Amino acid sequence: KQEVTQIPAALSVPEGENLVLNCSFTDSAIYNLQWFRQDPGKGLTSLLLIQSSQREQTSGRLNASLDKSSGRSTLYIAASQPGDSATYLCAVSGWDSNYQLIWGAGTKLIIKP
Amino acid sequence: GAGVSQSPRYKVAKRGQDVALRCDPISGHVSLFWYQQALGQGPEFLTYFQNEAQLDKSGLPSDRFFAERPEGSVSTLKIQRTQQEDSAVYLCASSLIGGTSGRGYNEQFFGPGTRLTVL
Repeated sequence: KQEVTQIPAALSVPEGENLVLNCSFTDSAIYNLQWFRQDPGKGLTSLLLIQSSQREQTSGRLNASLDKSSGRSTLYIAASQPGDSATYLCAVSGWDSNYQLIWGAGTKLIIKP
Repeated sequence: GAGVSQSPRYKVAKRGQDVALRCDPISGHVSLFWYQQALGQGPEFLTYFQNEAQLDKSGLPSDRFFAERPEGSVSTLKIQRTQQEDSAVYLCASSLIGGTSGRGYNEQFFGPGTRLTVL
């Protein structure tokens, strides 16, 4: 059974710092991996999606990498801003039912002005 | 354009009451998903519809949970005889098409959720 773990559970850093969020998964046979952002009362927003054949994806100040062999993904946030404060979740899907996302518990990120 | 909407946004129920949670997906989206998110946890898959057909209900925690999408658009998640452990945020998502093995994947767009508190 696929399990997704995110460490740390919470992170607080000063504005302007570069930071890395970690996601690990137990079964390397994934279809894809996504990073989401969750703001209180506003649902989930997809940030980046990495297909199993890809190694990384970039969007603005965000870069996500995928290493299937080690069961790891990282989300790199450059030049953090207070508006980046949110909970970041990663989710993976398998080949048999690729609509069924398996989620980590998230990392709560606080960027201090 | 309009995103996924859910109602009510907050629901307080006494233990034993029945509740109904509504999801309005993005117009034209074929697939619809329900997730349950307990406090401090990631969402957990409950069920998946493609049009009006419920193709996967493997995540429904008990037979007290029932979901329907009779006309292939709006969906309702019903919980009968609510228990305290049902307290959670219930998230709905829709995608343009669904995915099964080898048939591609479409991004899921999420609604704001309904926070259910059972007293």
